[in-house]
Amino acid sequence: KAGVTQTPRYLIKTRGQQVTLSCSPISGHRSVSWYQQTPGQGLQFLFEYFSETQRNKGNFPGRFSGRQFSNSRSEMNVSTLELGDSALYLCASSQVSSTDTQYFGPGTRLTVL
Amino acid sequence: QQPVQSPQAVILREGEDAVINCSSSKALYSVHWYRQKHGEAPVFLMILLKGGEQKGHEKISASFNEKKQQSSLYLTASQLSYSGTYFCGTEREGSQGNLIFGKGTKLSVKP
Repeated sequence: KAGVTQTPRYLIKTRGQQVTLSCSPISGHRSVSWYQQTPGQGLQFLFEYFSETQRNKGNFPGRFSGRQFSNSRSEMNVSTLELGDSALYLCASSQVSSTDTQYFGPGTRLTVL
Repeated sequence: QQPVQSPQAVILREGEDAVINCSSSKALYSVHWYRQKHGEAPVFLMILLKGGEQKGHEKISASFNEKKQQSSLYLTASQLSYSGTYFCGTEREGSQGNLIFGKGTKLSVKP
């Protein structure tokens, strides 16, 4: 089985721009979660999607949004980028619920200049 | 509220044992453990659920004290491949699906 894939792997943007990151879960997995990882804050939960619906949301501003498609692929969007948004963005997929094993993708490294 | 992990870092010789702790001030539904090597994605190790159910690798052991809201990860007879940063993630009661991670414990195993 192919693992979780994320595109692009690296991205450089400037302040004020917006960005869209993509995540393809493991085949058969219906839950996709997104995380932001920074040296200072560690791993922080952004949101979780299941069956095209946002099921859970972390404590991030509305500039961070996401969606899930019928094939379980997910995208997250960050609008009006700030320097502090520079981070590794990880997505993880699981079969149904958060208590199923989550498999992480390699991440997208976003740098905001 | 972010769980607290201890120690922050530990250095071992091959074959030595280590315990990594994770504690929360809130009632927990589950505790998840992951290991992340430098430049790689986190890899699942174990989930411990309220009520005693566990899912994880055979060679990894952990405990979950529901009364104290604490979990411990036991690494025995450490190998070089155990090196990495270990994260615990907690799900609070009534907030399932919202996984909050600790800041991590950096484990270095030396030959």
